Amino acid sequence: ETGVTQSPTHLIKTRGQQVTLRCSSQSGHNTVSWYQQALGQGPQFIFQYYREEENGRGNFPPRFSGLQFPNYSSELNVNALELDDSALYLCASSRDLVSTDTQYFGPGTRLTVL
Amino acid sequence: AQRVTQPEKLLSVFKGAPVELKCNYSYSGSPELFWYVQYSRQRLQLLLRHISRESIKGFTADLNKGETSFHLKKPFAQEEDSAMYYCALPTGANNLFFGTGTRLTVIP
Repeated sequence: ETGVTQSPTHLIKTRGQQVTLRCSSQSGHNTVSWYQQALGQGPQFIFQYYREEENGRGNFPPRFSGLQFPNYSSELNVNALELDDSALYLCASSRDLVSTDTQYFGPGTRLTVL
Repeated sequence: AQRVTQPEKLLSVFKGAPVELKCNYSYSGSPELFWYVQYSRQRLQLLLRHISRESIKGFTADLNKGETSFHLKKPFAQEEDSAMYYCALPTGANNLFFGTGTRLTVIP
């Protein structure tokens, strides 16, 4: 059973703006990971949070930042939006940091940057 | 560098025919590999993982260290198998490197 939710479903922004995407993890899951999925590509790892601290980061610039809260919710913030930021953003929660833990994905937020 | 490669973007097979979705990996050490699936209008979900050596929905995947492959196989494809399939490799503490995916279409 997957209980990961994301909001909003869709979002349209213009270049240079800032955006905040939200994710609610499954209860009891201490780890949340964010991925960017461009059209025709597989999900690409942005960063991961474990117990409210960043625990790893992919090849994304600092204008991509995040937060994780004690209530199993998290945010992805993107500053100074660029056209190439247009993508589906996925969050995934898992129980802990064990590499074999199943990651449960949310439905995603589709961001369009004009 | 750790990565996975899925050489086929599209794969079409007839119902009842065998299906094999290819995945090759680059990893130093003993990899833990996954197959994730995304059915139409559904979210990405785990199909199976190497460490469990399980068969899910008739699919199996064997790790071949000599060929650095983790191909997904099913002897008889069903229409409901039509989906997007991603091979994935953990690159850190439970974050995943995904391949570009293969869209499988099972023709009735």
